[in-house]
Amino acid sequence: EVSLVESGGGLVQPGGSLRLSCAASGFTFRSHLMSWVRQAPGKGLEWVANIKEDGGGELYVDSVKGRFTIARDNAKNSLFLQMNSLRAEDTGVYYCSRGIYSISSVGYDLWGQGTAVTVSS
Amino acid sequence: QSALTQPASVSGSPGQSITISCTGTSSDVGRYNYVSWYQQHPGKAPKLMIYDVSNRPSGVSNRFSASKSGNTASLTISGLQAEDEADYYCCSYTSSSTRVFGGGTKLTVL
Repeated sequence: EVSLVESGGGLVQPGGSLRLSCAASGFTFRSHLMSWVRQAPGKGLEWVANIKEDGGGELYVDSVKGRFTIARDNAKNSLFLQMNSLRAEDTGVYYCSRGIYSISSVGYDLWGQGTAVTVSS
Repeated sequence: QSALTQPASVSGSPGQSITISCTGTSSDVGRYNYVSWYQQHPGKAPKLMIYDVSNRPSGVSNRFSASKSGNTASLTISGLQAEDEADYYCCSYTSSSTRVFGGGTKLTVL
């Protein structure tokens, strides 16, 4: 079965750190661009970061630049998001998502169930 | 990286058609044919409904169609059904190679 399963969320104090993980299965992980997308409580989706198939080309939304790092381990079919200097506004559900397998198409065709991050003292 | 602009809510009766707009800029929606649309039911993960402006992934009903004109993309749902009630988000590739989502539109089926 094709799936993405996130883990690592939880409650953290402002200024703290968390590392999110996403385990991929049922498809050729190394062939897909991967992303993190978040959703604050009661709010819309926000793209957070992308990483290319080979682990390069990391891109971030301005609000997390310098604080978050996206990474992947193709040997272990895993995606990560290291989140440092966390702020209250980083609170939300973080989704792992898979880019469409095509060099000429853009979109996310597979999503995990999400992992909740709460930044609060 | 400002969010794309979508109406906060739309509504329609079963069997009717509705259209959701998504307005960006010449640096995102207007520049690339890389607009995608996602459906999200409460408490669930988003689901890809449309990619590359107007392409439907396999398994998505042909009641869902989409287009783009200038800086505005549109999603049309025809023959509204109760299960279409959800939040809908557009997303565009940008000139910085990043992605930007719309604020989301809540569809109510009356």
